[in-house]
Amino acid sequence: DAKTTQPNSMESNEEEPVHLPCNHSTISGTDYIHWYRQLPSQGPEYVIHGLTSNVNNRMASLAIAEDRKSSTLILHRATLRDAAVYYCILRVYNNNDMRFGAGTRLTVKP
Amino acid sequence: DGGITQSPKYLFRKEGQNVTLSCEQNLNHDAMYWYRQDPGQGLRLIYYSQIVNDFQKGDIAEGYSVSREKKESFPLTVTSAQKNPTAFYLCASSRDSGTSANNEQFFGPGTRLTVL
Repeated sequence: DAKTTQPNSMESNEEEPVHLPCNHSTISGTDYIHWYRQLPSQGPEYVIHGLTSNVNNRMASLAIAEDRKSSTLILHRATLRDAAVYYCILRVYNNNDMRFGAGTRLTVKP
Repeated sequence: DGGITQSPKYLFRKEGQNVTLSCEQNLNHDAMYWYRQDPGQGLRLIYYSQIVNDFQKGDIAEGYSVSREKKESFPLTVTSAQKNPTAFYLCASSRDSGTSANNEQFFGPGTRLTVL
């Protein structure tokens, strides 16, 4: 299975943009890139996903490199409620399971 | 409201006892999943089910069993054979389609199991 590499932790100031990187150099052509986040003692929450093109939704934007070997989750204005562990996951086409790594712990400072 | 419910939120059991964790969804999703999370770690897949009366082992199925008699329900039994059962257990569901990787998974609030 293709793996992802994320920094263990990042810090941001409130109301500033946050760019969370993810490397996935062994991604295959049909792997989808998914992002989830998890607040303490809660279940993960879907954030965004994409295949090749950049994606935007109400929560975040996903920028995918042209060679697809890396991606960046962008939170446009971080709030204190965005403090969580963010997981970058590759999902194999037509495969139901997901493989979670350790993720990036985002701290947002007021 | 539509969603996934897990009960109870906290569960304590004595070593050697089997325990069943509940997971119910009213999202009309075909696929359901069980994950285990240990402190500071990511989630690991225990079992998943794509359709009623069918399920597959995940990465860490040993010591666990599941059933899928109804579309809405996917209970997980932690048996006495599971050597280190204390963990946070998460249930999820998703629509199942020809391109499953294009679907998001919806997670329940989790059950924290402590074996004394």
